[in-house]
Amino acid sequence: QSALTQPASVSGSPGQSITISCTGTSSDIGSYNLVSWYQQHPGKAPELMIFEASKRPSGVSNRFSGSRSGNTASLTISGLQAEDEADYYCCSYAGNSNLLFGGGTKLTVL
Amino acid sequence: QVQLVQSGAEVKIPGASVKLSCKASGYTFTRYYVHWVRQAPGQGLEWMGIINPSGGSTSYTQKFQGRVTMTRDTSTSTVYMEVSSLTSEDTAVYYCARDVADDYSFDYWGQGTLVTVSS
Repeated sequence: QSALTQPASVSGSPGQSITISCTGTSSDIGSYNLVSWYQQHPGKAPELMIFEASKRPSGVSNRFSGSRSGNTASLTISGLQAEDEADYYCCSYAGNSNLLFGGGTKLTVL
Repeated sequence: QVQLVQSGAEVKIPGASVKLSCKASGYTFTRYYVHWVRQAPGQGLEWMGIINPSGGSTSYTQKFQGRVTMTRDTSTSTVYMEVSSLTSEDTAVYYCARDVADDYSFDYWGQGTLVTVSS
């Protein structure tokens, strides 16, 4: 199974909104609502931002939102802040107790 | 508070094995699956497999089947992962992570263990 496809990088200015896409197939994102998103700052462990495609864990800012349509999932960050600059990874259940990650997207806040 | 504390950094020669540990605290150990994820230097995240601490059942991604073994010790609330036949491509930070609710997302992560494979 191949990794999910994410853009290598995205950028935005403070206060703007950005969206990171995550493209899979009918065998993973297209079949299961079990998509999660992680934020990772350099040298740190990843942090859960979105689970089950659109749910936000307690403590995560409501500036972060997720959606899923067909074989694609998306993470939107509104009101960009400097501290949002990080790597972001999508992740999807792919059946048969298998999990796939995307290649990661580097977000730069200009 | 929930914590996953991993063992310290390891340096291994090619062909050797390494056994990593992940000690859980702050919650009922047997109620949450634990996953292992690795990250090679400068690279993305790679899922390795999952263990059910209650019964000990496991599932590994195809790439690691036959080379990875996950176990647990309920008396110490610790999960272990052994990786055998190490090569330089196994050099990475290895993370354990707790499953939120059997939905294959991870709400708590260990601090990571750096494994360096070098001759």
